[in-house]
This record gives sequence, C-alpha cells and structure tokens, in this order.
Amino acid sequence: EIVLTQSPATLSLSPGERATLSCRASQTISRFLAWYQQKPGQAPRLLIYDASNRATGIPARFSGSGSGTDFTLTISSLEPEDFAVYYCQQRSNWPLSFGQGTKLEIK
Amino acid sequence: QITLKESGPTLVKPTETLTLTCTFSGFSLSTSRLGVGWIRQPPGKALEWLALIYGDDDRRLSPTLKNSLAITKDTSKNQVVLTMTNMDSVDTGTYYCAYLGRYFDYWGQGTLVSVSS
Repeated sequence: EIVLTQSPATLSLSPGERATLSCRASQTISRFLAWYQQKPGQAPRLLIYDASNRATGIPARFSGSGSGTDFTLTISSLEPEDFAVYYCQQRSNWPLSFGQGTKLEIK
Repeated sequence: QITLKESGPTLVKPTETLTLTCTFSGFSLSTSRLGVGWIRQPPGKALEWLALIYGDDDRRLSPTLKNSLAITKDTSKNQVVLTMTNMDSVDTGTYYCAYLGRYFDYWGQGTLVSVSS
C-alpha cells in the first residue's frame, strides 16, 4: 500500500501570500497524483490531476509539480476563498490512497 | 452535467449492515473505464477510499475492509450500491460517492452516517 504523507499539517498564511504544500509518496508513483480542496461542510473538489494539470475551471494561481515520490501544490497568491483543507491522492497502485491533509488557515 | 447523490440511513446500530445508494446522472456506467467510487470521512479526519466499480464490472475494494464491503451497480437505474456489514462506531462519518474518470472528478454532497445503539 502506498502511503502519502502531507506537510505541513497546518499552514498559516495571509491573503496575497504564496502557499507551498507538500505530498510525499512511500514509493514511486510516476505522476499519478491529484490534489483536492475541501471546504467545511462541502465535498472535496478536484484541483490538479496527473501532478500538474489543472482541472476544469480551476484558477491559474493553483499549480502542481513533481514526479516519482515528491509533489508540490503551489497557490501563487492566496485569495480568501483558498483557505481550506487540501488532500493529495494517488492512482498509481491499488489500493487508492489519500494523504492526511494540510489545513491552510488564515494567519 | 455530471451529478451524484448519496442516499441511505443516517443512523445504524452496531453490528448492523449499512446500505448506501449512489444515484448519478450525466454519464453511463456502461463505459468500461469509467467508474464510481465510495470514499468516507470520519468527523474531523482525512478521506479514506473504500470501493470502486467500473463500467465493465471490475470491482476494487479497500484491503483493510474487503471482508465487510460489497459494491454493485444497476446500469439501467444509474445507481451504485455500497454495503458494509458489521458496522461499528468507528465507521461513523460522511460517505461520498464520486465519479472516476482518471481521478475523482465529480463528487456527491455526501451523507452522514452515525453508528450508535
């Protein structure tokens, strides 16, 4: 089973700042990684797929990078609506797995 | 437009069997490599993948729960059903169904299931 470890657990930033979230896989997963955003009381929303491709309707301030075992989600300039929990998910191997999440909170 | 909606009981007793239905629209689950999955989330905790069924009826289950899980589809009704036996308090949480193209592109709103006597 592939374990995804996200860091940091909590990230405190201000609007306008740059956010960098990390996801590390316990074994290589090529680029088979997605990022989701979840706001309180809502279902997750797909942001990035295959490590670096933005899903439909996702603003350009969201970008993803990485391959192998190390991946990064970057939000270039935080908007108030970006404060949420972010999860990574791999589809390289069964079982599918999610990271434990990074909470992005307002500083 | 793809939509999914979960339905089922909000409260089950320990040891009972949970049956959840995902009713979807906007796609057909007769296409082989499209799928519908179930993911759950205990209160305040992370997402956990449970099960997935593809249009060609290929089924995948979480290894940690495979002895208690089953997933089926009814293509004519556009529904996917998840059953989980021997429910326990640790199974309390929000259960989501989601459309899988390559990833979980679309999600239902989720249904909160509580396990309590």
